[in-house]
Amino acid sequence: DAGVTQSPTHLIKTRGQQVTLRCSPKSGHDTVSWYQQALGQGPQFIFQYYEEEERQRGNFPDRFSGHQFPNYSSELNVNALLLGDSALYLCASSLSRGSTDTQYFGPGTRLTVL
Amino acid sequence: SQQGEEDPQALSIQEGENATMNCSYKTSINNLQWYRQNSGRGLVHLILIRSNEREKHSGRLRVTLDTSKKSSSLLITASRAADTASYFCATAAGTYKYIFGTGTRLKVLA
Repeated sequence: DAGVTQSPTHLIKTRGQQVTLRCSPKSGHDTVSWYQQALGQGPQFIFQYYEEEERQRGNFPDRFSGHQFPNYSSELNVNALLLGDSALYLCASSLSRGSTDTQYFGPGTRLTVL
Repeated sequence: SQQGEEDPQALSIQEGENATMNCSYKTSINNLQWYRQNSGRGLVHLILIRSNEREKHSGRLRVTLDTSKKSSSLLITASRAADTASYFCATAAGTYKYIFGTGTRLKVLA
């Protein structure tokens, strides 16, 4: 049973560029959440996707957008990258049986913006 | 914004000792979870405790929840070097997101 997978592992971009991060949820899970974790901080909620729709969003600008596909996999897109976007981006999957439930995290994508 | 605050921020103990870390939060919750993170990689789910539960055990882990004080504690008994990691609490408050604390960095010395 594969867990949550993310790609790529590491990514280096320059300011102003755009980036796409990918996530495949744990088998049987239908909900994907994305988090940003700056160095030395706890993860910050970006948004959650369920049934191919953004169900809830955290305090992140519109430069952060996402998508969920019919197979429940998801993408996180960040436009017009800023130095402050450098962080570990974590994807978490869960089975939506109500509001929140146990979230299983992938290994993350380390984004460096130069 | 961070909902949970872990205490202490850092903890260093000898192998075999017990480690206790605390989490305080601000609003009413549905459940609270503890996660472990090694070396800035993905988070590993440790335990979930619901708002109507007061204590839960899983192997060497013991979690308590006091909703009147809006606090939780994680106890790791008989710690091992492999327990060295950052530990986070995350609260769910009736929405679809978890709010994470700032974490406790635990170092277990062999």
